[in-house]
Amino acid sequence: NAGVTQTPKFRVLKTGQSMTLLCAQDMNHEYMYWYRQDPGMGLRLIHYSVGEGTTAKGEVPDGYNVSRLKKQNFLLGLESAAPSQTSVYFCASSYVAQHYNEQFFGPGTRLTVL
Amino acid sequence: GENVEQHPSTLSVQEGDSAVIKCTYSDSASNYFPWYKQELGKGPQLIIDIRSNVGEKKDQRIAVTLNKTAKHFSLHITETQPEDSAVYFCAAEDNAGNMLTFGGGTRLMVKP
Repeated sequence: NAGVTQTPKFRVLKTGQSMTLLCAQDMNHEYMYWYRQDPGMGLRLIHYSVGEGTTAKGEVPDGYNVSRLKKQNFLLGLESAAPSQTSVYFCASSYVAQHYNEQFFGPGTRLTVL
Repeated sequence: GENVEQHPSTLSVQEGDSAVIKCTYSDSASNYFPWYKQELGKGPQLIIDIRSNVGEKKDQRIAVTLNKTAKHFSLHITETQPEDSAVYFCAAEDNAGNMLTFGGGTRLMVKP
């Protein structure tokens, strides 16, 4: 049982390049999330999904796109990377019940945009 | 939307002392408040949570209190140990129950 995995662990991009981050979970969770973590700003939600084929915007969605074609996978795309997108990206998944949302996080992807 | 403020941003204590981290939230409809611990190089992990129908919850050396009227909740760690050193995040669930809004984090350092 691997939990939540993220690929890749590290990546360096040049401004304007594109890339896709992959998140996979093996816990059969319906909900999945993408966050970015910047120093002093905690975790900010980029996009999330409440089930296969669905996506929704979070707090900071601009410059990112997502897809949830399979229940176990949640992809985060950057079409034209900018230095402001340098950050650590975390994926999470959860089983959600009323007033209960324990999120299980992946190990993170450190992205640097030059 | 929900706004969660967390204080202090850094906290240094001696081993064996207590540590308290405080959070406030803005949406009175929020009903679920988890706390996460993030160790260096890892993703956050849930350590304790509280629902709005209880005022306090305890799990060994950690406890969380909630004051819904004042819209604030706190994490208490007693008898701190060096392995408690980490970044701690509070969070509040949105009204629809779909997502969490996190505070800015507190870096706790426990000095041996």
